[in-house]
Amino acid sequence: DVKVTQSSRYLVKRTGEKVFLECVQDMDHENMFWYRQDPGLGLRLIYFSYDVKMKEKGDIPEGYSVSREKKERFSLILESASTNQTSMYLCASSSVRGRVSYEQYFGPGTRLTVT
Amino acid sequence: SQKIEQNSEALNIQEGKTATLTCNYTNYSPAYLQWYRQDPGRGPVFLLLIRENEKEKRKERLKVTFDTTLKQSLFHITASQPADSATYLCALDITGTASKLTFGTGTRLQVTL
Repeated sequence: DVKVTQSSRYLVKRTGEKVFLECVQDMDHENMFWYRQDPGLGLRLIYFSYDVKMKEKGDIPEGYSVSREKKERFSLILESASTNQTSMYLCASSSVRGRVSYEQYFGPGTRLTVT
Repeated sequence: SQKIEQNSEALNIQEGKTATLTCNYTNYSPAYLQWYRQDPGRGPVFLLLIRENEKEKRKERLKVTFDTTLKQSLFHITASQPADSATYLCALDITGTASKLTFGTGTRLQVTL
């Protein structure tokens, strides 16, 4: 079974803190994604990475950065946490066959509260 | 602007009936459409993928249709069970490579005895 793990299920941080969210997948997937999910807004893509050290901005990258130094690990960084970044953060990965990516496998999510 | 619409109101149905959920989209020509299930407090789980040249896809009690003319996908669960209660998300590939998906907000299904 594909397994995507996230470093924390729940996290509480203060405004202005630097926050690291870690994601690890064990299936050698090329693509990895970070989403946030908010009520009424659904899943929104923050960043995605298609290879080590490669990244692309998603729909809402402002206030976030990412790092992918190893294929299995994708980190989301909140440089200076703000209250409007309180949300559920979901990591996902997918494989590439030919030039096409297929289904995404999600981690359990990290519920981040910024106070 | 690009838009994916799923009924935001919960769908309540009786056990044993067929549940039908709708995903409508505008201004896309997706090559793929996917359906996911999400339980409260958990990440989405992939259910089915359908390509633009496929009209219908089945997996056990699940059936998905994809009408690119109507810009609509229907997701059916036959002989529904209380364990099917969850939120169901549709997701579109607008890049042609399925690298990036755009998700709908989901429809919550409640199956009662």
